[in-house]
Amino acid sequence: EPEVTQTPSHQVTQMGQEVILRCVPISNHLYFYWYRQILGQKVEFLVSFYNNEISEKSEIFDDQFSVERPDGSNFTLKIRSTKLEDSAMYFCASIVGTNTGELFFGEGSRLTVL
Amino acid sequence: AQKVTQAQTEISVVEKEDVTLDCVYETRDTTYYLFWYKQPPSGELVFLIRRNSFDEQNEISGRYSWNFQKSTSSFNFTITASQVVDSAVYFCALSEGTGANNLFFGTGTRLTVIP
Repeated sequence: EPEVTQTPSHQVTQMGQEVILRCVPISNHLYFYWYRQILGQKVEFLVSFYNNEISEKSEIFDDQFSVERPDGSNFTLKIRSTKLEDSAMYFCASIVGTNTGELFFGEGSRLTVL
Repeated sequence: AQKVTQAQTEISVVEKEDVTLDCVYETRDTTYYLFWYKQPPSGELVFLIRRNSFDEQNEISGRYSWNFQKSTSSFNFTITASQVVDSAVYFCALSEGTGANNLFFGTGTRLTVIP
């Protein structure tokens, strides 16, 4: 069964450091997303990406965040200068089209900012 | 503005009991999608169902069933004959518009099935 894969599974970083979280969406999918879940809380939408550009972003997705699809397979989330409150599980998701199919989530990347 | 309310924070049931997880949503859109996801202790999000606003038919999948009622803006999820493996956090989610996948999640219900 196809799956969304994310690396790393867990990253520990110092406050102020840059972090890049990587995702490999399912190969024929066209729409990509990042969500985040602070420990014990609900899952929150960060950003959606289609046709090599951001299609929508939430107020959480401020100037410290950026996304990129550097090649045909990877989809990355960069946090430029991490803050303590960025500690969370970050989920990547992809779907083949907006009206069809299931939104597949990866297993998440846990980010701990010290 | 969109809103998803899962009033039940935690539920415990004994194995083989039936359990219903409630979800109430708010949206101004006439076209929207509703979802349920399961998050087991391992942390991943497992898709259970997606339902669009024009399809009010109830759905059954094995021990799982969903009751969508637009009149009460509810999309409740029932597990019949619960099993220990059903223990997880269950999230209800809403996305507005035609096919949008920017999901707005509820706060989740933690279900514990006691053997």
